[in-house]
Amino acid sequence: EAGVTQFPSHSVIEKGQTVTLRCDPISGHDNLYWYRRVMGKEIKFLLHFVKESKQDESGMPNNRFLAERTGGTYSTLKVQPAELEDSGVYFCASSFERRGYNEQFFGPGTRLTVL
Amino acid sequence: AQKVTQAQTEISVVEKEDVTLDCVYETRDTTYYLFWYKQPPSGELVFLIRRNSFDEQNEISGRYSWNFQKSTSSFNFTITASQVVDSAVYFCALSEAGAAGNKLTFGGGTRVLVKP
Repeated sequence: EAGVTQFPSHSVIEKGQTVTLRCDPISGHDNLYWYRRVMGKEIKFLLHFVKESKQDESGMPNNRFLAERTGGTYSTLKVQPAELEDSGVYFCASSFERRGYNEQFFGPGTRLTVL
Repeated sequence: AQKVTQAQTEISVVEKEDVTLDCVYETRDTTYYLFWYKQPPSGELVFLIRRNSFDEQNEISGRYSWNFQKSTSSFNFTITASQVVDSAVYFCALSEAGAAGNKLTFGGGTRVLVKP
């Protein structure tokens, strides 16, 4: 069974440009999460989808970030316009919808560098 | 609010030494889950263990062992007889229980370097 995949693995863009990150969760996983790790800091939660609905987007830093999960399958995270402080590693994770159990499987991350 | 603290930012050991990673957490929830993840140089986060707050039994899996002490809000991780392949960043994490699909709160991570 394929794990969580993320594309691209690396992205280097200039300040003010737009970047779209993609995450393909494990097939059958209703829960999809985005996290990010800014250099030297802890991994922080951004948002959580249950199927195509946003369950919790309390961690989204500002309205330059837009996440979608059309059809409840893959998800995209768009940053527009990108700022220097957006640089970091963006992780996606997915989990099966099962009450009381929360093992999240993580993808390899997308390393975003904003110059 | 939940918080996870990993006071050790980096630990360097020589192969075959034991290494213990500290994790202290804060939560108001009475029921919660604790996790450890490993991030090898390849970058992905690899799940190591999940522990329920109501289960304080320590656990051993091969060279890995975990010591959960609710009284001190700690969930420490020990690698016995470390190997070079153990070199990685290790993250401790916490999530609420009661509903599936809750977010993880991570500590800052501890980088372990095992030298041959």
